[in-house]
Amino acid sequence: DQQVKQNSPSLSVQEGRISILNCDYTNSMFDYFLWYKKYPAEGPTFLISISSIKDKNEDGRFTVFLNKSAKHLSLHIVPSQPGDSAVYFCAAGRDNQGGKLIFGQGTELSVKP
Amino acid sequence: KAGVTQTPRYLIKTRGQQVTLSCSPISGHRSVSWYQQTPGQGLQFLFEYFSETQRNKGNFPGRFSGRQFSNSRSEMNVSTLELGDSALYLCASSLGVSYYEQYFGPGTRLTVT
Repeated sequence: DQQVKQNSPSLSVQEGRISILNCDYTNSMFDYFLWYKKYPAEGPTFLISISSIKDKNEDGRFTVFLNKSAKHLSLHIVPSQPGDSAVYFCAAGRDNQGGKLIFGQGTELSVKP
Repeated sequence: KAGVTQTPRYLIKTRGQQVTLSCSPISGHRSVSWYQQTPGQGLQFLFEYFSETQRNKGNFPGRFSGRQFSNSRSEMNVSTLELGDSALYLCASSLGVSYYEQYFGPGTRLTVT
């Protein structure tokens, strides 16, 4: 039962353009969502999070949008840079389950110069 | 502030042996979560420790166990290793009060032969 899904295994974007990474979830009980970036042989790096009571959170070039009715979230990166090339994971959790995160399968982003 | 550290970074073990992995969280963080990453299953939650108590547990067999010390450092142990235990083992730490930010270590790459 995959509660968090990233349906696009890969995405290619031109430098300077917008990257949009998508994530769907099935469990309406999730209280918060996070995005992580991962390079090979390294641990995931926290990027940005959003509470289920919000619909948008922004941090520099990164914005996360949450659509609860559609059970969908997206990460926008503007403008995209070659250094953004990595695997991006979305994750979800519940306040009463502490540090347990459910991860999507990841989307590999390639930003071309 | 120092990040999450994990030791060792790489391990090679033989089937049937046991292994202990160590994680030192960010100073002040009281929660440590452990995850297993494999190509087929992605990132899967193993368990979480908070104030030396296991607070949440994932769907892994009893061969996987852990503990947390009074300084919040955590260890996980895998007994009777199987080939399928070959994976990247990641720990993440957080304050333990809000989980909107979990920070990962670099991981321990375990290879079982």
